[in-house]
Amino acid sequence: ETGVTQSPTHLIKTRGQQVTLRCSSQSGHNTVSWYQQALGQGPQFIFQYYREEENGRGNFPPRFSGLQFPNYSSELNVNALELDDSALYLCASSFLRGDGYTFGSGTRLTVV
Amino acid sequence: AQTVTQSQPEMSVQEAETVTLSCTYDTSESDYYLFWYKQPPSRQMILVIRQEAYKQQNATENRFSVNFQKAAKSFSLKISDSQLGDAAMYFCAYRSPSTGTASKLTFGTGTRLQVTL
Repeated sequence: ETGVTQSPTHLIKTRGQQVTLRCSSQSGHNTVSWYQQALGQGPQFIFQYYREEENGRGNFPPRFSGLQFPNYSSELNVNALELDDSALYLCASSFLRGDGYTFGSGTRLTVV
Repeated sequence: AQTVTQSQPEMSVQEAETVTLSCTYDTSESDYYLFWYKQPPSRQMILVIRQEAYKQQNATENRFSVNFQKAAKSFSLKISDSQLGDAAMYFCAYRSPSTGTASKLTFGTGTRLQVTL
């Protein structure tokens, strides 16, 4: 059974650029959630995808968008990067009605 | 909206001793789930223990146990026989019951646990 893998592990971008982060779900899971974890804080819910559609969203602007693919892998896209977007981005896969989440090790994004 | 509060930014415990991490939460729901996650330097969130609110019995997982006080909205984590490998950030998290909409986790700000020899 494979876990959740995220790529890349680290990334440095310039303010105003766009970035795409990737996540491969754990085998058998059908739901993917993305979280933003700023330094010294707990993770904040960005959005969740189920059956390739957004299934719920946290308090994040539209420049944060995502995709889920038929194999349940997912992408997080952030446009017009701001300095405050610097954070650890965590992906978690699960069953929609389950309560078990498997997290990846995250992508550390630095915006300069 | 639900909120989760962890009032201890840092805690320290000696190896083999017991430590308790505190968590309080605010919700108007009667049915929900509570979790403790561990985040080591590897950054991956690892589930330590979970509790369903409708269960009165406190959850236990080997050296880890919780004290769930539903009326007080308190959910503390006790680590017995602490080991060096327990050193990490610990996050308390809340989740509403899944009704088909997003089953998001709401996290506290975390407690950094140090384990000393």
